[in-house]
This record gives sequence, C-alpha cells and structure tokens, in this order.
Amino acid sequence: DIQMTQSPSTLSASVGDRVTITCRASQNINNWLAWYQQKPGKAPNLLIYKASSLESGVPSRFSGSGSGTEFTLTINSLQPDDFVTYYCQHYNRLPLMYTFGQGTKVEI
Amino acid sequence: VQLVQSGAEMKKSGSSVKVSCKTSGGTFSSYSINWVRQAPGQGLEWMGSFIPIVDEVNYAQRFEGRVTFGADRSSTTAYMELSSLKSEDTAVYFCARDGGAAIAHAFDIWGQGTVVTVSS
Repeated sequence: DIQMTQSPSTLSASVGDRVTITCRASQNINNWLAWYQQKPGKAPNLLIYKASSLESGVPSRFSGSGSGTEFTLTINSLQPDDFVTYYCQHYNRLPLMYTFGQGTKVEI
Repeated sequence: VQLVQSGAEMKKSGSSVKVSCKTSGGTFSSYSINWVRQAPGQGLEWMGSFIPIVDEVNYAQRFEGRVTFGADRSSTTAYMELSSLKSEDTAVYFCARDGGAAIAHAFDIWGQGTVVTVSS
C-alpha cells in the first residue's frame, strides 16, 4: 500500500506569514492528491484537488504544487481563520483506496 | 447537494451501530459515498466506498468483515453499519462524496459527522 507522510505535524506561525506543508508519497502517485482543511468539530473542507487545482470558492491564498512523490500546500498571508489542521489525501484506483496523511496543525 | 447524517450514538462493546447519510437536495447518482472516521484527537481514516445506484462496495482491509454499507434509494439515504464494536471504535464518523474524475476523485461534499461512543 502507498503511504502518505505529512510534515511537519505542527507548525507555528503568525498572521500574515507564508507557510508550506509537505506531503510525501512512498511511490509515484502522479497528481492524485488532494488537500483539506479541518476546523475543530467540523468536517474537512476540500481546498485543492489534482495536486494544484483550487476548489471553487477557496481563497486564492491557498495553492498546491508537486507531482510524483512530493507535494506542497502553501498558504500565503495566513489569516486568523487558517490556524487549524490540514490533511493531504491520495486516491488510488486499483485497488480502490484513499489514504490520508497524518495531518498538520497550524498554530499561532 | 448536502449530506445529512444521523445523530450521536452511545453503544456497548460487542454491539453494532448503524449511521445514516441522507442526500439532501439531490438524488443518488454515479458518485460514490465514502465513509471516513476520526478518533478523538486523531487523523482521518478511510473505511470504504459505496456506489448506491449499482450497490458496488469497496471496504478498507482493516474493516473487512465488520462493516456493511447499504442504501435506501427511495429516501436517497446511505448507511454504514459497524459490528462487534470496541472502545477503539469511539470516533466521529463522516460520509463524504467522491466528486468524480473531474476533481481527481477528491471528496467535495461531506456530512456533518456522527459521534459514536462505545463503552464497556
């Protein structure tokens, strides 16, 4: 099975900072990668799909890049609402499997 | 389209729980409904996938034999039943729609989550 390793697990930043979260796959996954934001007590919310495509309605300060085995989520100019947890997710077609990274908590 | 889940459940070890996920504002389509759980303070774990219109299921290996997916098409409600509950099954259970090839099979719509608490 493909493993997804997210880093760091916790990230300390300030409002206005630019931060980067990394997700590494144990083998080539092309661009079958999504990023989600999860606020406490809420369901995750899709930010990025296909590694770099911004989901409709998501602010443009969020961006994704990468392909193959290494991917990044970048948040430009952190807003107070952004200090929550982020997950990467890989879709594997055969066998069907969705694998999440361990999560990155962005804290003040 | 929204996914609306059933309410919180408290169960005893060894029993079963059934969580429902109603498609509100739409109908069942060829999209799959996925089940994801999150133990307290932990990350997200995919449990499996279900396509209601064709009854196609794919269970994550670690839940195989203990989980069952199904649907009532007349009420556009999908459900997940987990049996032989253990305290480690205490978690929030989410249903989520795979948005299809157009968004590289990301989960674009999520239910609000159902808290399941298992005690001995």
